[in-house]
Amino acid sequence: TQLLEQSPQFLSIQEGENLTVYCNSSSVFSSLQWYRQEPGEGPVLLVTVVTGGEVKKLKRLTFQFGDARKDSSLHITAAQPGDTGLYLCAGESPGTYKYIFGTGTRLKVLA
Amino acid sequence: DTAVSQTPKYLVTQMGNDKSIKCEQNLGHDTMYWYKQDSKKFLKIMFSYNNKELIINETVPNRFSPKSPDKAHLNLHINSLELGDSAVYFCASSRTSRTGALYNEQFFGPGTRLTVL
Repeated sequence: TQLLEQSPQFLSIQEGENLTVYCNSSSVFSSLQWYRQEPGEGPVLLVTVVTGGEVKKLKRLTFQFGDARKDSSLHITAAQPGDTGLYLCAGESPGTYKYIFGTGTRLKVLA
Repeated sequence: DTAVSQTPKYLVTQMGNDKSIKCEQNLGHDTMYWYKQDSKKFLKIMFSYNNKELIINETVPNRFSPKSPDKAHLNLHINSLELGDSAVYFCASSRTSRTGALYNEQFFGPGTRLTVL
């Protein structure tokens, strides 16, 4: 069974701090996505990474896919209260039409 | 313009009842999904349909039956509801590439919070 473990599970930081969220697995994924979910809403896609070692930047967010395509990280620079939410990684299981979602990281950024 | 819509938003019902959740997408996508999100926020896929054909059927009790009358709709019917069915159910859709790879964004609906008493 493919599992994606995210760490930390919870994170509460002050506005302006930097943070990194990790998404780890022992399985290889064809691609990996990061989503953010706000209370009462569905997840919204932030980025898709496809190539091992790929780095993508989205304003203050930097996403990296591991060389072996088994893990990923999300780094936020100068966090803002608007970054508060549940962050989910999702790996595409090779040969299937399926994304396996990670265990989630709940981020709270305090003003 | 709602891309993926679900009804109802909230559903409170007694154990043993049968209920349905409806999902519609107006994005022209060919693949639709049902996910279950538990109280710990873990999101798990239940079913997926591609062009009205069932392509993913995870280990889900057969009390759950999806139905896709056309590409824009995927409904979920649940028989004999149990306490453990309480969760938020999300519908999603995506456009699957010709190679079958899923590099495409999944658009999620707002969720249906099901509470079984």
